[in-house]
Amino acid sequence: GAVVSQHPSWVICKSGTSVKIECRSLDFQATTMFWYRQFPKQSLMLMATSNEGSKATYEQGVEKDKFLINHASLTLSTLTVTSAHPEDSSFYICSALERAYEQYFGPGTRLTVT
Amino acid sequence: GQNIDQPTEMTATEGAIVQINCTYQTSGFNGLFWYQQHAGEAPTFLSYNVLDGLEEKGRFSSFLSRSKGYSYLLLKELQMKDSASYLCAVRDRGGYQKVTFGTGTKLQVIP
Repeated sequence: GAVVSQHPSWVICKSGTSVKIECRSLDFQATTMFWYRQFPKQSLMLMATSNEGSKATYEQGVEKDKFLINHASLTLSTLTVTSAHPEDSSFYICSALERAYEQYFGPGTRLTVT
Repeated sequence: GQNIDQPTEMTATEGAIVQINCTYQTSGFNGLFWYQQHAGEAPTFLSYNVLDGLEEKGRFSSFLSRSKGYSYLLLKELQMKDSASYLCAVRDRGGYQKVTFGTGTKLQVIP
């Protein structure tokens, strides 16, 4: 199956700093990528839909100025958590849409804000 | 919007069969997924249903009834490694094909 990578796999940052997470589709082109957040013992919550060459579509309650998404190419989307706070600590997972329905997930990035 | 319900937890015995149910309400249905997620890992794709009926794939089968807004995942010949969370997810009919996840069912397989 298709492979999606994320970098970094885990990151610790200080409160107030910004963190960038990359999501790459390694062997296919993805016009659409999704960003999810998962808190412990909870399910995945969709944050935004990222489309190559256009602005991301954010879910209700997700601050677009805090979570900056850039889908610069057909194989790369980035999520930047700006001015991170401890409550932003979570497991961030991206996925890429291949063909009609197959959505492949990256391995996730665990963010800890101290 | 979408509303997806699954049982929170289930326990089953190794070698047995378990059925995990999912009910959903959506304004525009365009497919239902089942994913498996082990703790600390990303979800892995198990199945996809867009038409009514049963899809079988090895030890895993998934059923869909669009008129009832209902799906189930059937796991046969349970193995200890099947202990994981199972996520039901529904895709929108909208242009971006957004996928919304249910809360997940944590399955524990016991000897």
